[in-house]
Amino acid sequence: GDSVTQMEGPVTLSEEAFLTINCTYTATGYPSLFWYVQYPGEGLQLLLKATKADDKGSNKGFEATYRKETTSFHLEKGSVQVSDSAVYFCALSGRGAQKLVFGQGTRLTINP
Amino acid sequence: EAQVTQNPRYLITVTGKKLTVTCSQNMNHEYMSWYRQDPGLGLRQIYYSMNVEVTDKGDVPEGYKVSRKEKRNFPLILESPSPNQTSLYFCASSPTWQGGSNQPQHFGDGTRLSIL
Repeated sequence: GDSVTQMEGPVTLSEEAFLTINCTYTATGYPSLFWYVQYPGEGLQLLLKATKADDKGSNKGFEATYRKETTSFHLEKGSVQVSDSAVYFCALSGRGAQKLVFGQGTRLTINP
Repeated sequence: EAQVTQNPRYLITVTGKKLTVTCSQNMNHEYMSWYRQDPGLGLRQIYYSMNVEVTDKGDVPEGYKVSRKEKRNFPLILESPSPNQTSLYFCASSPTWQGGSNQPQHFGDGTRLSIL
């Protein structure tokens, strides 16, 4: 079945550092790919998405590119802020499946 | 304001005592879903509903029931809760669901259940 694998956390960085959170997936066909963010005590919010190969999703300074050849969708940000501290989930929506498949989540902490 | 509302937000209860977690959305969405979130496992789908009176099992349905009598409500029922159902639960909705759809889901703020 479809699956998503994220880099292990937690990840701790200093403010203004460069961020990469790795995400790879296994799916039949061409899924849609998402990054969701969960701030403390809140539900998940969509951060960005990509629906086909080579698409780049972007939002709030975060970017991720749908790489079909490496089945990856890595999340990047050039300069993180304390307010980016949260749990980040990579997810996919496969053809014919009525659900999102999530990775295990990566907890990010940004220190001032 | 468009939202998905879950109640209660927190509940501590005992094994075997039936409980219901309510979920309501005000966006006229057809698709609704329940997930549980456990450390190291991400979110896993429990049940989903494509529309009123249409529900189906997700990946981890054992010990749970749902109903969809109205479009806006999708309660999650634990008839005889057990400690392994201690978890953080999320309800989500989206306008429709099509295979491979890029429609994002809207999530509630979560319900933390502790079953002693």
